[in-house]
Amino acid sequence: GAGVSQTPSNKVTEKGKYVELRCDPISGHTALYWYRQSLGQGPEFLIYFQGTGAADDSGLPNDRFFAVRPEGSVSTLKIQRTERGDSAVYLCASSLNRVMNTGELFFGEGSRLTVL
Amino acid sequence: SQQGEEDPQALSIQEGENATMNCSYKTSINNLQWYRQNSGRGLVHLILIRSNEREKHSGRLRVTLDTSKKSSSLLITASRAADTASYFCATPPIQGAQKLVFGQGTRLTINP
Repeated sequence: GAGVSQTPSNKVTEKGKYVELRCDPISGHTALYWYRQSLGQGPEFLIYFQGTGAADDSGLPNDRFFAVRPEGSVSTLKIQRTERGDSAVYLCASSLNRVMNTGELFFGEGSRLTVL
Repeated sequence: SQQGEEDPQALSIQEGENATMNCSYKTSINNLQWYRQNSGRGLVHLILIRSNEREKHSGRLRVTLDTSKKSSSLLITASRAADTASYFCATPPIQGAQKLVFGQGTRLTINP
């Protein structure tokens, strides 16, 4: 596709349920990022993939959060036993070049998660 | 952890005026980036300035970088109603890191 695609755009779930959020990055982009954004705040880093491997998962808040990218393209963010505090917009971004050089991030529109 | 901090948190000006937003950061950087986010949308990259650059222009945007003060500014000239959005600066948290850390942003409102 032309841009980063995220599904679902909106997800409402009940406390304690399991949720999967999907990200389809721009074709050819090897780097993929997940961020979380609460209302009125800036994006908060969760995890970064270079290819298939998670190069930096230091932003995942706890072991209920897990992300995979098995073939180096599509990624899935998985949240177990959801809590009301997990409610936020989850943003995915991809990048062609390394951030430390000229790597601008291309963001998807986000998945809005609401935990009741 | 938060690297960049934008100032002001909110800014409201009349159409046609210039808007200036500032960003301060904490560590040495390779580059600093500015992003824009319309309400309910994803972020869009505006401009990247490298640590060896002091000023950069892109259309109505002008970005400056002062590495001695660890600060950057984004100037939007001749503002338009369509410029209404949140603006974020972003840097790697430490030099060489392959991720970006964003500030809390400046919410800019352009009044027609």
